[in-house]
Amino acid sequence: NAGVMQNPRHLVRRRGQEARLRCSPMKGHSHVYWYRQLPEEGLKFMVYLQKENIIDESGMPKERFSAEFPKEGPSILRIQQVVRGDSAAYFCASSPNRGDGETQYFGPGTRLLVL
Amino acid sequence: DQQVKQNSPSLSVQEGRISILNCDYTNSMFDYFLWYKKYPAEGPTFLISISSIKDKNEDGRFTVFLNKSAKHLSLHIVPSQPGDSAVYFCAATASNTGKLIFGQGTTLQVKP
Repeated sequence: NAGVMQNPRHLVRRRGQEARLRCSPMKGHSHVYWYRQLPEEGLKFMVYLQKENIIDESGMPKERFSAEFPKEGPSILRIQQVVRGDSAAYFCASSPNRGDGETQYFGPGTRLLVL
Repeated sequence: DQQVKQNSPSLSVQEGRISILNCDYTNSMFDYFLWYKKYPAEGPTFLISISSIKDKNEDGRFTVFLNKSAKHLSLHIVPSQPGDSAVYFCAATASNTGKLIFGQGTTLQVKP
């Protein structure tokens, strides 16, 4: 049973470009969460999605960031017009049900570097 | 507002001895707590969890203790092994939210 998959593992963008990060949850998991880890900090919640629905986006920056989890295919975290401060590790996690009382399993992360 | 705090950035112990990692929280609505281990350039790996209805959960060398009145939990690793050297994150969640709130992490070094 494959774990949570993320790609790309590393992504380099110049300021102003777009970044697309993909996450495929574990088989049988319908809940996806995105977290961001800035250098020397812990992981910060960004958004929680189920298939075709955003459940909680309270951790998402108000501008330039969006997320989706379509009926078919991976979840996508999209960052438009990237800035240097977006450089971070972005982790996706999944769980079979909503996270309360359920363990979230993490992918290997995408390391975004904005030049 | 740091709702989950790991006040020790680092910890060094000798192989074979006990490692104790601590975590404090402020939100009384948290009812499920988890510990993750993270190696550089990898994602967090789930270690052990505990529900707020319990005060202890044990899995092999890992034991988590929860003191709800003090809003404190700890992870005990015994005996510690060099392969345990990593960053350990404490996380908490409240029912009906789904999201995990993480501490800043504690870097554990186990010396041979």
